Amino acid sequence: QVQLQESGPGLVKPSETLSLTCTVSGGSISSYYWSWIRQPPGKGLEWIGYIYYSGSTNYNPSLKSRVTISVDTSKNQFSLKLSSVTAADTAVYYCGSMAAAGIVDYWGQGTLVTVSS
Amino acid sequence: QSALTQPRSVSGSPGQSVTISCTGTSSDVGGYNYVSWYQQHPGKAPKLMIYDVSKRPSGVPDRFSGSKSGNTASLTISGLQAEDEADYYCCSYAGSYVVFGGGTKLTVL
Repeated sequence: QVQLQESGPGLVKPSETLSLTCTVSGGSISSYYWSWIRQPPGKGLEWIGYIYYSGSTNYNPSLKSRVTISVDTSKNQFSLKLSSVTAADTAVYYCGSMAAAGIVDYWGQGTLVTVSS
Repeated sequence: QSALTQPRSVSGSPGQSVTISCTGTSSDVGGYNYVSWYQQHPGKAPKLMIYDVSKRPSGVPDRFSGSKSGNTASLTISGLQAEDEADYYCCSYAGSYVVFGGGTKLTVL
């Protein structure tokens, strides 16, 4: 069974870049799509974007100018970078495996990232 | 893009049935048979309950069912149980990206 684990700083300063990595175990990253989703405290889910192992990406139009998702098949990892963060980017960030359009079948446990000086 | 529209809350007694609606547009829910539903308990990651409008992943009870008509998808939970109390989110493919609903809190009375 695929397992995912997010890692990265829990605190980021405003205007800086948020960077997270998701490590995949129990399966190869060289299949499937790999997704990032976030959830501000007390609010709903927001899809950030996804990447195919080949490197092709799709991003939420509202975040597209600030988001980069990349994959490292040698490490079985994929990563998220979100630039120019503000307090509105404070959220629990989840990584997930996406079998097909909108089907996130395995999720990481989530990691809280707080944007604050 | 706008989030899909869900009622903020629904409730039902044990054994009853409840239906949660999810309204989008012809560019998302109405345009593709790629609607999924997620259950989220407090402090936990979401769990896939329904995909492709009405299919259930292995291990999801058949009390959970999904359907779609036009731009509105629905999740029905029959034979409500206490452990069904959670937040539920719909999700739809929208051409090149994915959009979630705002979420519905289900209370089991």
